[in-house]
Amino acid sequence: TQLLEQSPQFLSIQEGENLTVYCNSSSVFSSLQWYRQEPGEGPVLLVTVVTGGEVKKLKRLTFQFGDARKDSSLHITAAQPGDTGLYLCASAGGTSYGKLTFGQGTILTVHP
Amino acid sequence: DTAVSQTPKYLVTQMGNDKSIKCEQNLGHDTMYWYKQDSKKFLKIMFSYNNKELIINETVPNRFSPKSPDKAHLNLHINSLELGDSAVYFCASSQRPVGTTYEQYFGPGTRLTVT
Repeated sequence: TQLLEQSPQFLSIQEGENLTVYCNSSSVFSSLQWYRQEPGEGPVLLVTVVTGGEVKKLKRLTFQFGDARKDSSLHITAAQPGDTGLYLCASAGGTSYGKLTFGQGTILTVHP
Repeated sequence: DTAVSQTPKYLVTQMGNDKSIKCEQNLGHDTMYWYKQDSKKFLKIMFSYNNKELIINETVPNRFSPKSPDKAHLNLHINSLELGDSAVYFCASSQRPVGTTYEQYFGPGTRLTVT
């Protein structure tokens, strides 16, 4: 089973600041997904990255996939209180059909 | 319309009891999953079903038994509940996975507390 390391585990910042969350593995990702989970809700997919070096943008969120496909990052510009939540990276693939392996998650709190 | 729904939202019960959690999806997906999220927010897959057939069983105790009466429903029955079963259980669904770029849609979760 592929192990995903996410950092930092906790992030508490003021509105307007920028932040980056990292997701790393010792083995190559087939693809990588980022989810956001709000309190009392299930995770919601933000993006899927597949190609090494890929960059995807979703409004103030920028997702990068490392050239070697062993790491990914999520950068948020000018964070807002609405960005507060748990951010999870997840790796798909391997031999198990449909299986997602999740990182430990980053709990982000953005203070007004 | 709720895409993936779970009932109940909260479940408080005593050790040794048997309980069930129900899940329904109206997205027309072929594949459904159960995940467990522990107190540290770590999310781990337990089971997946494709068209009512068990595909993934991730070393879950036999006390946990999923049942899929049809491809829109996946229920989870837990026998002889233990304190360590306390967690949030999420149901999810997806199209039949092709390659590795399938999106999973999660339900709102069922918070199980065993006392």
